[in-house]
Amino acid sequence: EPEVTQTPSHQVTQMGQEVILRCVPISNHLYFYWYRQILGQKVEFLVSFYNNEISEKSEIFDDQFSVERPDGSNFTLKIRSTKLEDSAMYFCASSVGGGTGELFFGEGSRLTVL
Amino acid sequence: AQKVTQAQTEISVVEKEDVTLDCVYETRDTTYYLFWYKQPPSGELVFLIRRNSFDEQNEISGRYSWNFQKSTSSFNFTITASQVVDSAVYFCALREGRSNQGGKLIFGQGTELSVKP
Repeated sequence: EPEVTQTPSHQVTQMGQEVILRCVPISNHLYFYWYRQILGQKVEFLVSFYNNEISEKSEIFDDQFSVERPDGSNFTLKIRSTKLEDSAMYFCASSVGGGTGELFFGEGSRLTVL
Repeated sequence: AQKVTQAQTEISVVEKEDVTLDCVYETRDTTYYLFWYKQPPSGELVFLIRRNSFDEQNEISGRYSWNFQKSTSSFNFTITASQVVDSAVYFCALREGRSNQGGKLIFGQGTELSVKP
């Protein structure tokens, strides 16, 4: 069964460092997303991406964050200068359709900022 | 503004008991989609069900059933004869239909279900 894969599963970094989280969405999906879950809290939307551009982003997704799909398969989330409060589980998701389809999530990348 | 409320933070039951997880949502849209996801201790988010706002028919899938009532803006999830493997955090989520460029999911706070043997 096709699945969304994410790497790394866990990354530890020092405050101020740049981090790139990688995702390979399901191959025939057209919409891509990043969500974040701070430990013990709810899952929060960060950004959606379609047709090689951001279609929607939340207030959390400030200038420190960026996304790109560099090679037609990977979908990356970059955090330019990490802060302690960026420590969270980051989930990538993809869907076939934008308004109606269910999102399929990856297993998450846990980011720990020290 | 859209919002999802899962008032039950934690529920603990004994195996074989039935349990209902509540979900109440708010939206101004007439077209929207409701979801339930399961997050087991391993951390991944597992899709369980999607419902659109025009389909109020209740759904049963094995031991799982869902009760969608637009009149009370609720989309409750019942597990019949619970098992230890059902222990997880369950999230209800809302997606508004007017967004045709990748509508975001709005998640509730989650309900942590603990099923004891």
